Amino acid sequence: SAVISQKPSRDICQRGTSLTIQCQVDSQVTMMFWYRQQPGQSLTLIATANQGSEATYESGFVIDKFPISRPNLTFSTLTVSNMSPEDSSIYLCSLLLGGADRTQYFGPGTRLTVL
Amino acid sequence: GQQLNQSPQSMFIQEGEDVSMNCTSSSIFNTWLWYKQDPGEGPVLLIALYKAGELTSNGRLTAQFGITRKDSFLNISASIPSDVGIYFCAVATNKLIFGTGTLLAVQP
Repeated sequence: SAVISQKPSRDICQRGTSLTIQCQVDSQVTMMFWYRQQPGQSLTLIATANQGSEATYESGFVIDKFPISRPNLTFSTLTVSNMSPEDSSIYLCSLLLGGADRTQYFGPGTRLTVL
Repeated sequence: GQQLNQSPQSMFIQEGEDVSMNCTSSSIFNTWLWYKQDPGEGPVLLIALYKAGELTSNGRLTAQFGITRKDSFLNISASIPSDVGIYFCAVATNKLIFGTGTLLAVQP
């Protein structure tokens, strides 16, 4: 298994500001993912972040709005830029472990409220 | 885009009852997963299914990968209060696609 921590666990932010969310894992992994979970909804993939390369964004998500860094194999950040109330969501990082089961694990999430 | 439909959307049951929920897709997938999400937490993997027709158990949980590879179900036997949460099915391609979720409430 894997231990994943996220900071902050929650935040309340003003419209127009930006927030950077950190994700730290206890093992070296190639593939990390960032998801958004809007209130009462399922999880939607924002982007895949591989170390040493640019993040790959899903349809509807762009780098200017959600810049991602992946400086090493145990750490990643997601920035939510120029926030609006519509960005109020839980943001979760996730990683994929290799091996036979290729299990994907999730962090505890960052609950963001934008006023 | 691809979509997984889960039913029921929510369930309110008494402790001790058995629970069944399912997940369907219009496309074929070769890996089906079931996750549980507790309030304030990220999803936790319960069961992974890799073979059509496969039936896999994890304690009181049993999941089956449909023979058509377009559906899966999850059963929980003898529910307890800590089973409360949101249950998501997911399929794995080059990424995870999540279902719409089933909210389970268990009354002691």
